[in-house]
Amino acid sequence: KAGVTQTPRYLIKTRGQQVTLSCSPISGHRSVSWYQQTPGQGLQFLFEYFSETQRNKGNFPGRFSGRQFSNSRSEMNVSTLELGDSALYLCASSLESSGNTIYFGEGSWLTVV
Amino acid sequence: TQLLEQSPQFLSIQEGENLTVYCNSSSVFSSLQWYRQEPGEGPVLLVTVVTGGEVKKLKRLTFQFGDARKDSSLHITAAQPGDTGLYLCAGPSPDQAGTALIFGKGTTLSVSS
Repeated sequence: KAGVTQTPRYLIKTRGQQVTLSCSPISGHRSVSWYQQTPGQGLQFLFEYFSETQRNKGNFPGRFSGRQFSNSRSEMNVSTLELGDSALYLCASSLESSGNTIYFGEGSWLTVV
Repeated sequence: TQLLEQSPQFLSIQEGENLTVYCNSSSVFSSLQWYRQEPGEGPVLLVTVVTGGEVKKLKRLTFQFGDARKDSSLHITAAQPGDTGLYLCAGPSPDQAGTALIFGKGTTLSVSS
């Protein structure tokens, strides 16, 4: 079956702009989580959505937000981009919200200039 | 402070050599996972260890969970160029429910032929 699909794969934005990233989970998976990966900080948890509700949120400013749709697809948004937001943003899906393996997509590479 | 400390950070070896990668914490984890991430892709789960003292083998890879469930190791026998990648350990976030994971910063392994 198809894996986790993230779009776009690569994008370049200017400081101050906002960006929306999209994630389609594996069919049947209801939990979607987002991670930020940078060389300095590694992989850090952003937030998790389950049944259209945000279940958990990591230690990131309010500029980072997300949502989940009824078909389990998810989007994350970063407003007022800063240079430090340049990173690989990874989406992962799992069947339920606990106790299941999570499967990562290939990520969206964001460069802020 | 990084909750999961991985060592070494970088490892460059010749094909056929053996190596061990470590993941240490001062906290007890109910389980630990190991992922491998190749350039341009998302992390892929290799194994989950859940019982203190547990040893799991995956072909040439041997994973061990410490008796106190505070540390884990990954041993690769007769490394091959295809083993090249970023090896990450991860555990359930102590501050979050659901699927939120915390990751070590990873070990970058390079195997040359």
